[in-house]
Amino acid sequence: GAGVSQSPSNKVTEKGKDVELRCDPISGHTALYWYRQSLGQGLEFLIYFQGNSAPDKSGLPSDRFSAERTGGSVSTLTIQRTQQEDSAVYLCASSLGTSNTGELFFGEGSRLTVL
Amino acid sequence: TQLLEQSPQFLSIQEGENLTVYCNSSSVFSSLQWYRQEPGEGPVLLVTVVTGGEVKKLKRLTFQFGDARKDSSLHITAAQPGDTGLYLCAGELDNTGKLIFGQGTTLQVKP
Repeated sequence: GAGVSQSPSNKVTEKGKDVELRCDPISGHTALYWYRQSLGQGLEFLIYFQGNSAPDKSGLPSDRFSAERTGGSVSTLTIQRTQQEDSAVYLCASSLGTSNTGELFFGEGSRLTVL
Repeated sequence: TQLLEQSPQFLSIQEGENLTVYCNSSSVFSSLQWYRQEPGEGPVLLVTVVTGGEVKKLKRLTFQFGDARKDSSLHITAAQPGDTGLYLCAGELDNTGKLIFGQGTTLQVKP
């Protein structure tokens, strides 16, 4: 498909385990974003990658969270030693990144439940 | 502290009524976007506004960007059940491409 792809769509894990969430952006999009969303709420900014620039990690809530983007394409968000408060939908988006009015295209999200 | 404050957070109205959703901040944004999200899906862009005082119309939806580029509003005329969803405003900071979202307004339009 031509859209942003995220996997897994659902993940249930036990407290203390590590999880990896994957995002495959639209081909050619240089900007990639991770957001977190609790039920019915707004999007909490986590991290932003733009081309070869250093990522903006200012939204990561703790050092248990990390993200990387390999080859300017696929991104992985890793949460170590998960806690119950990490339960949320994690949304990835990409954009062309060529102007300051670029549309963000979102994936359907990865729903994380920490028991 | 929420950088972008949306109000109201929840709105339940009858079909045919008008409504306005507000998005306010003390920060200046280089651009502002409005998205709509349905359950189980990612947000989808409705409009982008860039110039202070700009007004854009999309069928029954009217979007306005404040003169100082700190606030925005979304007005829906004669709401329909199909307008039901979560409406999100998102501001871009300092021409960086980084978008900060408000906490959203859940709209329910009853037939």
